[in-house]
Parts: sequence; C-alpha cells; structure tokens
Amino acid sequence: DSGVTQTPKHLITATGQRVTLRCSPRSGDLSVYWYQQSLDQGLQFLIQYYNGEERAKGNILERFSAQQFPDLHSELNLSSLELGDSALYFCASSVATSSYEQYFGPGTRLTVT
Amino acid sequence: ILNVEQSPQSLHVQEGDSTNFTCSFPSSNFYALHWYRWETAKSPEALFVMTLNGDEKKKGRISATLNTKEGYSYLYIKGSQPEDSATYLCASSGSARQLTFGSGTQLTVLP
Repeated sequence: DSGVTQTPKHLITATGQRVTLRCSPRSGDLSVYWYQQSLDQGLQFLIQYYNGEERAKGNILERFSAQQFPDLHSELNLSSLELGDSALYFCASSVATSSYEQYFGPGTRLTVT
Repeated sequence: ILNVEQSPQSLHVQEGDSTNFTCSFPSSNFYALHWYRWETAKSPEALFVMTLNGDEKKKGRISATLNTKEGYSYLYIKGSQPEDSATYLCASSGSARQLTFGSGTQLTVLP
C-alpha cells in the first residue's frame, strides 16, 4: 500500500458525459501527478500540482482539467467523454519535485461506452 | 534520442540467473531518472531515483547505474527469483520536470 488513495476504482459512463476522479496523496506529500494509461500505450503524464498550484503540464486534452485543494487532495475532471478516453488513470504523489520518488495510487479504470 | 527507450521489450530468465536491462533517455537538459517495478493488476512501485552522473543505487538484489553524459541507465537483478517477475519501467525528466516513461521491460523468471 503506497498511501495514495484514488476513488472510484472503476467508472463506466457514456460518451459526452463528465466525470471526476479523486486522489488523496500520501501524508506529507505536496506534489500530485496524474497519468493516463491507454491500451497499447505506456504511462502518459497529464499534469502536476504542487502545493495547490499547477507545476507542469503534459499531454492533457483541453476537455480535461485538474485542481489541487488546500487539503492537498486532487481531482481530475474529464468532460465531453469520448470512447478513446477509456483508460487507467493513475495519481501519484511525491514530497516535492520530480527528483523525488513518486508513489502511485491503485488507479481508476474508466470505461466510456 | 527524443524519447525514453527501454530494451529488451521482454525477457525470460531462469531462477537464479542474473540479468540486466537498459534505459536510454535524452541527455540534454537531464534532471532525474526513475526506475519503477510494475506487477500485473497493481500500481507502479518506486525502485530508484537518480540525478547525478555516475550514481549507483542498490536495494537488495536490485541495483541501478546512471550515465547522464551518454544518456543511459542500467538496472541489474542478481539471482533472479520468480517474485521478480514484473514490468520494469524507467522514466526521465528534463527541464520541464515532467516524467516521460519508457514502454518497459517485461521480465519473467521461470522456476
């Protein structure tokens, strides 16, 4: 158990809908990272927050957004969902920057039908 | 090298064999190199983070080295055990501080 929690574990929704994925980092970690793993693709970095502020942005679509709250939990919002958004979404946390180990949550499996 | 590349893609070894895999990454604007172990149906587990050229890290039977000038890292497993079977991922970060992952090396240790 990494200490990072993600909810829900599984999510099935229809195209065009909007969902919110939630992540609670390990106690004491200030950085939260979101990753997407689609079929036949490796882990793709989406976005990083550090202490409430956006720190780095990767291949995140405009339909996706994220935020980190004062209690350091983070939410990833996915809207106007398409079939291709079906993937495993991981959240990871670290003490600070990317020179520190990242601890991954169990992931949320999103299926868009 | 623009992406992070890992080789081999998959590997089968006998229990007790030692093995190693390679991770190649862009050497310009290098910041950090990560190794993760990823078992099926679980989430990636951090093994090492290295930042300095010549870094060597060890955790039990697993060790890693880093060459930032030529842009490669090796992961070594001594005396492989069936429980070492997993996908081993490396990831590098550059000036943008975001991790780019390789596609992994899938290791199967046969009893």
